[in-house]
Amino acid sequence: KQEVTQIPAALSVPEGENLVLNCSFTDSAIYNLQWFRQDPGKGLTSLLLIQSSQREQTSGRLNASLDKSSGRSTLYIAASQPGDSATYLCAVRPDSGAGSYQLTFGKGTKLSVIP
Amino acid sequence: EPEVTQTPSHQVTQMGQEVILRCVPISNHLYFYWYRQILGQKVEFLVSFYNNEISEKSEIFDDQFSVERPDGSNFTLKIRSTKLEDSAMYFCASTLGGAANYGYTFGSGTRLTVV
Repeated sequence: KQEVTQIPAALSVPEGENLVLNCSFTDSAIYNLQWFRQDPGKGLTSLLLIQSSQREQTSGRLNASLDKSSGRSTLYIAASQPGDSATYLCAVRPDSGAGSYQLTFGKGTKLSVIP
Repeated sequence: EPEVTQTPSHQVTQMGQEVILRCVPISNHLYFYWYRQILGQKVEFLVSFYNNEISEKSEIFDDQFSVERPDGSNFTLKIRSTKLEDSAMYFCASTLGGAANYGYTFGSGTRLTVV
């Protein structure tokens, strides 16, 4: 059974700092990995999707990398801003061959950017 | 940008009552999902739906739950005889297709409180 772990559980940084959020998964047979942002009491906003054949994806100040063989992904946020404060979730979709669409989520990293 | 719309945003119901959570997926998407998040816990998969039938469901999705696409736009989750432990945020999501480059779009959720 796939397990997704995110470390650290919480992170507090001063504004302007670059930071890295980590995600690890136990089963490397994944189809893709998606990073989401969740604001308190709100829904999930998709940030980046990395297919299993890709190594990284970039969107603005965000860069996500994937090392499928080692079961790891990182989300790099450059020049952090107070508006980046949120919980960041990673989720993997299995490459089960049977066409599973079931995402397995980590518990998230709660990021606080201090002005 | 196209959105997944969920109503209501918050529903309070008495234990034993039936509730219907409603979702309008993105119009050209073909795959629909329900996930839930109990307070403080991970987001969990409930069910996926394609071509007017359930394609996959988790252990959580027992006979108490059912899904329906009653018309060309709505996708509903019905919970019969609600229990206290059904209290959670319920998220609807959709994807355009099943390929690895198609990510999930989530709605903003319905917070269900069972009293």
